[in-house]
Amino acid sequence: EAQVTQNPRYLITVTGKKLTVTCSQNMNHEYMSWYRQDPGLGLRQIYYSMNVEVTDKGDVPEGYKVSRKEKRNFPLILESPSPNQTSLYFCASSFTAGNEQFFGPGTRLTVL
Amino acid sequence: ILNVEQSPQSLHVQEGDSTNFTCSFPSSNFYALHWYRWETAKSPEALFVMTLNGDEKKKGRISATLNTKEGYSYLYIKGSQPEDSATYLCASLSMGNNRLAFGKGNQVVVIP
Repeated sequence: EAQVTQNPRYLITVTGKKLTVTCSQNMNHEYMSWYRQDPGLGLRQIYYSMNVEVTDKGDVPEGYKVSRKEKRNFPLILESPSPNQTSLYFCASSFTAGNEQFFGPGTRLTVL
Repeated sequence: ILNVEQSPQSLHVQEGDSTNFTCSFPSSNFYALHWYRWETAKSPEALFVMTLNGDEKKKGRISATLNTKEGYSYLYIKGSQPEDSATYLCASLSMGNNRLAFGKGNQVVVIP
């Protein structure tokens, strides 16, 4: 089954404790992206990747890192999480930026 | 940052009525316009990707049109049903820019 998976689905953590949210797709997509969704603000792009070893900042990259060592995986890293990073996070993939995005199930993160 | 605006922010529709809402986006350097349907507690799912001025696309009772010269797209729901209740997101992509910019969504509630 073609899908995008994210783990964990839910996470409660404390300020400053490094965490990684994994994202994996099995559709051989080149374009992958991370978004955060906050009430009243809609989906905002954090980082995106055009292909392996090619990543770039989206609209709200501060406080986040990503890597793309393999085509299928695009982890989101929070080196020192802060409460303002409490949000719902979505990973998405597509063949190119112009093609329809396939979204993962979402990760709800709470930083205390 | 592209400004993608959607209106109205929310609307209530009686079952059986038709409705429509608007997505406005910067028309300069336009490349693609996406529409997604996002049900509560699920992930966004692609409805349409449109690229050409005058494009019209249809999926069941939902259809969309695109005007790239003036920078707007309409989404229509014909004969609304309770299962159409969702948030409808549009996203715009510009040429030479691989960042997909989302609007805040049109939240539709269909009243039985």
